[in-house]
Amino acid sequence: KAGVTQTPRYLIKTRGQQVTLSCSPISGHRSVSWYQQTPGQGLQFLFEYFSETQRNKGNFPGRFSGRQFSNSRSEMNVSTLELGDSALYLCASSLISGLMNTEAFFGQGTRLTVV
Amino acid sequence: GQQVMQIPQYQHVQEGEDFTTYCNSSTTLSNIQWYKQRPGGHPVFLIQLVKSGEVKKQKRLTFQFGEAKKNSSLHITATQTTDVGTYFCADRSNDYKLSFGAGTTVTVRA
Repeated sequence: KAGVTQTPRYLIKTRGQQVTLSCSPISGHRSVSWYQQTPGQGLQFLFEYFSETQRNKGNFPGRFSGRQFSNSRSEMNVSTLELGDSALYLCASSLISGLMNTEAFFGQGTRLTVV
Repeated sequence: GQQVMQIPQYQHVQEGEDFTTYCNSSTTLSNIQWYKQRPGGHPVFLIQLVKSGEVKKQKRLTFQFGEAKKNSSLHITATQTTDVGTYFCADRSNDYKLSFGAGTTVTVRA
């Protein structure tokens, strides 16, 4: 069974640009979450999607957005990039939504560098 | 979401020794999950604890959930070089997200 796939793996962007990251969850997983990981802030929750609906959002500015498609694939977009957006962006999928007791399967992440 | 505090931030261990990392919350946790992230890798699920006072073992790893469900610990015995990485505890809150602790980064001296 294929794991969570994130593309691209690495990305270099210039300040002010925008970027779109993609995540394909494990087949059958309908819940997709996004996290930002930085050395200073650790793992921070961005948002969670289920059945194309955003159910929860973390404390990030509106420049960070996402969506989920009918096949459960998800994208996140960051507009007007800032240097501080440089981070590892991790996507995680879970099998069952609505239940708390579900493990998350993480993708390998997209390493975004803003210059 | 709930804040989970994790200590220590760094743990330097002699190969063969034991160590423990702790996760604490000021409020009751719904359940606690533990993840391990190897250097350059992504978090990988280790275990989930749900019940008050629960203890689970995975070979040399022992996970414990406090009686009040406000703290948890991970104890590793006879540390090996394969134990290198960052260990995170995470609370799965009611609103469909994981709230991670800051992690304990483990290095091993051979």
